[in-house]
Amino acid sequence: DTEVTQTPKHLVMGMTNKKSLKCEQHMGHRAMYWYKQKAKKPPELMFVYSYEKLSINESVPSRFSPECPNSSLLNLHLHALQPEDSALYLCASSVGETQYFGPGTRLLVL
Amino acid sequence: AQSVTQLGSHVSVSEGALVLLRCNYSSSVPPYLFWYVQYPNQGLQLLLKYTTGATLVKGINGFEAEFKKSETSFHLTKPSAHMSDAAEYFCAVSVGGGKLIFGQGTELSVKP
Repeated sequence: DTEVTQTPKHLVMGMTNKKSLKCEQHMGHRAMYWYKQKAKKPPELMFVYSYEKLSINESVPSRFSPECPNSSLLNLHLHALQPEDSALYLCASSVGETQYFGPGTRLLVL
Repeated sequence: AQSVTQLGSHVSVSEGALVLLRCNYSSSVPPYLFWYVQYPNQGLQLLLKYTTGATLVKGINGFEAEFKKSETSFHLTKPSAHMSDAAEYFCAVSVGGGKLIFGQGTELSVKP
C-alpha cells in the first residue's frame, strides 16, 4: 500500500482565516514533505520532516506553519494567507529516495 | 548543480502511436531518476524509477524508461498511446536530503 491521504480536498479561505491541512500515511515512512504547486508548474518544496523533526524549510513565509505530531501525521497550519497563496498543496512521504504523493488540497484564498 | 530538462512542454500523439517524452539531467553523483504522472486535479503518481541496476526500467500502465549515462538521458516511452494517457508528466532527479529536482513538465495529449 503506497497511499498518502490528504484532507480536505478543497478549501476556500479569507485572508484573515486560520485553517489547517492534514496529511496521513501508514506506510512507516519516516520522511514527510509539503509542496506547493501552481497550475502548469512542477511542485515546489516547502518543508521536509525527517523522523518527526523539521529538516528543511525552503524559506517559506511564516504564515505557513508545519507540524508533525507523530510519524504518520503531517499538518500545515495556515494564517493570514494572500491570494497568491492559492495553489494545490501536496503532501508526500518517502522510503529511501522515492517519494509518494497524496492527492492534494486545492486551496483558494479570497 | 543538478538539473532536469524536459524537451517539449507539450506533446501530441494519435491513439495507438508511440509515446516518447524526453528527459535529460545533470548530476554530479550517480542519479536516482523518476517519472511521475499527474492527471487533472490530482496528485503525482509514481510511474517508474531508476536507482541502480538494470538500465531499462518498466513502470505502470505500460510505460518504460531507459537510463543512458553517456547521454545523461532518461526518456519515457510507451509503444501504443491510449486516450487515458493524456496527462502531465514530470521527470525528476533526487539530489539527496529529501530533495527532488523536477523538470518543467510535459503535457501529453492523445488524439482519437
